[in-house]
Amino acid sequence: KQEVTQIPAALSVPEGENLVLNCSFTDSAIYNLQWFRQDPGKGLTSLLLIQSSQREQTSGRLNASLDKSSGRSTLYIAASQPGDSATYLCAVRPRGGANSKLTFGKGITLSVRP
Amino acid sequence: GAVVSQHPSRVICKSGTSVKIECRSLDFQATTMFWYRQFPKQSLMLMATSNEGSKATYEQGVEKDKFLINHASLTLSTLTVTSAHPEDSSFYICSARRTAVSEQYFGPGTRLTVT
Repeated sequence: KQEVTQIPAALSVPEGENLVLNCSFTDSAIYNLQWFRQDPGKGLTSLLLIQSSQREQTSGRLNASLDKSSGRSTLYIAASQPGDSATYLCAVRPRGGANSKLTFGKGITLSVRP
Repeated sequence: GAVVSQHPSRVICKSGTSVKIECRSLDFQATTMFWYRQFPKQSLMLMATSNEGSKATYEQGVEKDKFLINHASLTLSTLTVTSAHPEDSSFYICSARRTAVSEQYFGPGTRLTVT
């Protein structure tokens, strides 16, 4: 059974700092991996999706990497801003065709201090 | 990205009543929709998967008679919480995807409070 772990559960950094959020998963037979952002009381916003054949994806100040062999992904946020404060969730989708389902980590709650 | 909406965004109901939550894919046809539940400070737990025109597949431990799911069209799925109890209070989030290989898009969630 796939397990997704995100440690630490919470992180507080000063504005402007570059930071890395970690995600690990137990089964490397994945189809893709997604990073999401969730603001309090809101739904999920997809940030980056990495297919299993890819090593990284970039969008603006965000860069996500994937190392399947070690079961790890990182989300790099450059020059953090207070508006980046949110919970960041990592989810993996296993191989398995049409019915494969996302498995989520518990998320990392990020607070960027002005 | 694609847009998924949910209605209502927030609902308060009395114990014993039923509540219906709608999930719509606004700019694409969703062959598959998913319903999740999220408790405070917890991750999303998949409740059920529904494909248009067929019965939903429920995850282990989810009562299908309590959480009725209907996926009548390629743009609409509904979740009905029947005879709701306070322990059903939670944040319910739906998700949709076009095809088996495409990305999942998530709705904004519905906060259900049962008094």
